Amino acid sequence: GDSVTQMEGPVTLSEEAFLTINCTYTATGYPSLFWYVQYPGEGLQLLLKATKADDKGSNKGFEATYRKETTSFHLEKGSVQVSDSAVYFCALSSDKIIFGKGTRLHILP
Amino acid sequence: EAGVAQSPRYKIIEKRQSVAFWCNPISGHATLYWYQQILGQGPKLLIQFQNNGVVDDSQLPKDRFSAERLKGVDSTLKIQPAKLEDSAVYLCASSLDTSGSWYNEQFFGPGTRLTVL
Repeated sequence: GDSVTQMEGPVTLSEEAFLTINCTYTATGYPSLFWYVQYPGEGLQLLLKATKADDKGSNKGFEATYRKETTSFHLEKGSVQVSDSAVYFCALSSDKIIFGKGTRLHILP
Repeated sequence: EAGVAQSPRYKIIEKRQSVAFWCNPISGHATLYWYQQILGQGPKLLIQFQNNGVVDDSQLPKDRFSAERLKGVDSTLKIQPAKLEDSAVYLCASSLDTSGSWYNEQFFGPGTRLTVL
């Protein structure tokens, strides 16, 4: 069945560092891909999404490109801030939505 | 705009007891979802409603879990009887979607943390 695999955390970076959180997927069809974020004490929020190959989703300085050839949707940000500390979930949707296990990100000042 | 409301925020029960969770979606949102999030894992969809009809309940353990959405607005999720492995955060989400598409953004509530002793 469909599945999502994302890098295990926690990931700890210094402020202004470059961020990559890897996400790969397995799907029989052509799913839409998402990144959700959960800030401390808050509910899940959609961060960005892409619906077809080579689409790039972007929001709040974060980017991810739908790579069909490598079945990947890696999340990147050029310069992280302390306020980016959160748990990030990669997800795909075909006939239902499937989430990865989440990656906890700590940004040190 | 008010977000998705859930109550209670925390619940502790003993195994074999019953428990119910309540969700009030964002006004006007046709689709409502219940998820189970076990510690260290991503959310798993339990049931999806569109208005007051069930779209998908394939991952709902129907021998002990039930859910309803009366009048296409509020929803309740019930567990009866609870097991130790039901300890998790139960998330409710809603979206404007009326077409069954997963593309539309889901808005999540803060969740109910259930501990079964």
